[in-house]
Amino acid sequence: DIVMTQTPLSSPVTLGQPASISCRSSQSLVHSDGNTYLSWLQQRPGQPPRLLIYKISNRFSGVPDRFSGSGAGTDFTLKISRVEAEDVGVYYCMQATQFLTFGQGTRLEIK
Amino acid sequence: EVQLVESGGGLVQPGGSLRLSCAASGFTFSSYWMHWVRQAPGKGLVWVSRINSDGSSTSYADSVKGRFTISRDNAKNTLYLQMNSLRAEDTAVYYCARGGQAGYWGQGTLVTVSS
Repeated sequence: DIVMTQTPLSSPVTLGQPASISCRSSQSLVHSDGNTYLSWLQQRPGQPPRLLIYKISNRFSGVPDRFSGSGAGTDFTLKISRVEAEDVGVYYCMQATQFLTFGQGTRLEIK
Repeated sequence: EVQLVESGGGLVQPGGSLRLSCAASGFTFSSYWMHWVRQAPGKGLVWVSRINSDGSSTSYADSVKGRFTISRDNAKNTLYLQMNSLRAEDTAVYYCARGGQAGYWGQGTLVTVSS
């Protein structure tokens, strides 16, 4: 099974400042079809998860451009260029190369 | 608009059974793989099961294999999860999610296994 490891697990950020979350997979996420199925999800308090980024760096429909994804192979990063109050919640990386596996989650909070 | 609406959750005793449903609308349901993912109270997301678009192929997490069965009715645009031999550790909110990359999620339905 592919294990996803996120750091940090908690991230206090000042409004308007950038934030960054890292995710590492236990094996390469490159699928036999050549795609890398690494996504980022946001879960606001009391809400279901919402897809933000898919295939490493593609923003899903309606996602603000302050969210960006990067990485390759086994190391990936989600960046928020300027944190807003509505960004508070838990962020998960997720691999879909082999079934679905999620990171432990990173709690983003405002300082 | 894509909508996924789960139902069927509730309180059940250990060893009991429940069937969850996920009603889909706003897209061609029969074209998409579907997943069930669960989240125990205060915990992270855990994949449970998936089914391909025509229902001919299914996969399960080891923790539910032999106890849960995923199925779908493409004529009714509905995904199901039959849960048998329920345990306390199955207590969670159960979400259905669309597509191989889980692009859309329902609001979830809470399953509580307790005596």
